[in-house]
Amino acid sequence: QQQVRQSPQSLTVWEGETAILNCSYEDSTFDYFPWYWQFPRESPALLIAIRPVSNKKEDGRFTIFFNKREKKLSLHITDSQPGDSATYFCAASSSSGSWQLIFGSGTQLTVMP
Amino acid sequence: EAAVTQSPRSKVAVTGGKVTLSCHQTNNHDYMYWYRQDTGHGLRLIHYSYVADSTEKGDIPDGYKASRPSQENFSLILELASLSQTAVYFCASSDWGENTLYFGAGTRLSVL
Repeated sequence: QQQVRQSPQSLTVWEGETAILNCSYEDSTFDYFPWYWQFPRESPALLIAIRPVSNKKEDGRFTIFFNKREKKLSLHITDSQPGDSATYFCAASSSSGSWQLIFGSGTQLTVMP
Repeated sequence: EAAVTQSPRSKVAVTGGKVTLSCHQTNNHDYMYWYRQDTGHGLRLIHYSYVADSTEKGDIPDGYKASRPSQENFSLILELASLSQTAVYFCASSDWGENTLYFGAGTRLSVL
């Protein structure tokens, strides 16, 4: 049972376009949602995170939109750059549970120049 | 300067053999984790620890043991390696109450 689902599996956009990566979750107790990115042959690293006290978190060109009612969130990357090409993982945890992070299977983003 | 160091970086093991993956962190973090990464499956938690001399099972602990002899060190042990354990293994650490994971560079394990 996948508790955190991501779509699409892979996404290709042109440089300058907005990339939209989707994530949904099952457990309504999840209250922390980080996105990690991973470049080829490197380890994952935290990109941006949101807690449900807000429905939007922005950091430069990266924005998380959060919909608690639908248990969905999305990562928008505006003005995409070839250097943004990486695999993006959505994750979730619950402060009322074991608070271990559960990762989605990732979206591989390719930005074409 | 790397705060989470894994060794070895890659390893080829034979089926049925014993494999030990090591992890050392200088972050002074309480929590340490072992994740497995397979194509299409993201990162799956094998074992974790929040204090020395204690380990906890994650989501996929079968076939793996873990050891936390000190705050800085956390090992993953495959007593009888199997073909299905071919994967990339990541160690990570995090501070208590802070859910940001800091990953090591990973160990690429091939079981033949």
